[in-house]
Amino acid sequence: DAGITQSPRHKVTETGTPVTLRCHQTENHRYMYWYRQDPGHGLRLIHYSYGVKDTDKGEVSDGYSVSRSKTEDFLLTLESATSSQTSVYFCAISERFGGGANTEAFFGQGTRLTVV
Amino acid sequence: AQSVTQLDSQVPVFEEAPVELRCNYSSSVSVYLFWYVQYPNQGLQLLLKYLSGSTLVKGINGFEAEFNKSQTSFHLRKPSVHISDTAEYFCAVSDANDYKLSFGAGTTVTVRA
Repeated sequence: DAGITQSPRHKVTETGTPVTLRCHQTENHRYMYWYRQDPGHGLRLIHYSYGVKDTDKGEVSDGYSVSRSKTEDFLLTLESATSSQTSVYFCAISERFGGGANTEAFFGQGTRLTVV
Repeated sequence: AQSVTQLDSQVPVFEEAPVELRCNYSSSVSVYLFWYVQYPNQGLQLLLKYLSGSTLVKGINGFEAEFNKSQTSFHLRKPSVHISDTAEYFCAVSDANDYKLSFGAGTTVTVRA
């Protein structure tokens, strides 16, 4: 299994509080992603990173920010948590895309976040 | 950006019967296609991928998929399912010039004895 650790694995927080989720990889992969998974929507991309300090928005980025100060860590912050952000959050990593043999993404085990 | 449509949200199937999960994507010049499986309370695991070459792709656990460019489809098949194949299956696509994966909504497969 790819070396991806998400922390925490479970969290309950109150509306209006900031929350930070951490993704740590030991694979030295260039690309890192945060997705959220909700029933009926599959996985939707929140933010992604294509290198240290290089990040960009995905399709559902409102209310979220990210930071990547080191290759191995990608942090997702909910600036002021809302009930609509209750979800399962997955981190993914990839060495490359572009058709090479190792074109694929590897996923962490997920973080279940409940905002009450 | 690519979009992916999984045509069936739920597929019940009896053990040892065949199963087909349908996936269509929006057209692009060149795409890469993936099927992932998610077992309960776990992350996603790659079943198979199409990058180029043969349109019939074989993956793990006896699954295979066929890339059809004219129909923009990438359907997943298994000739004989087991109880352990009960899971959610996701189709995903990436443009050749991009490095983001777009996922379908998922298909829940329930295998019954």
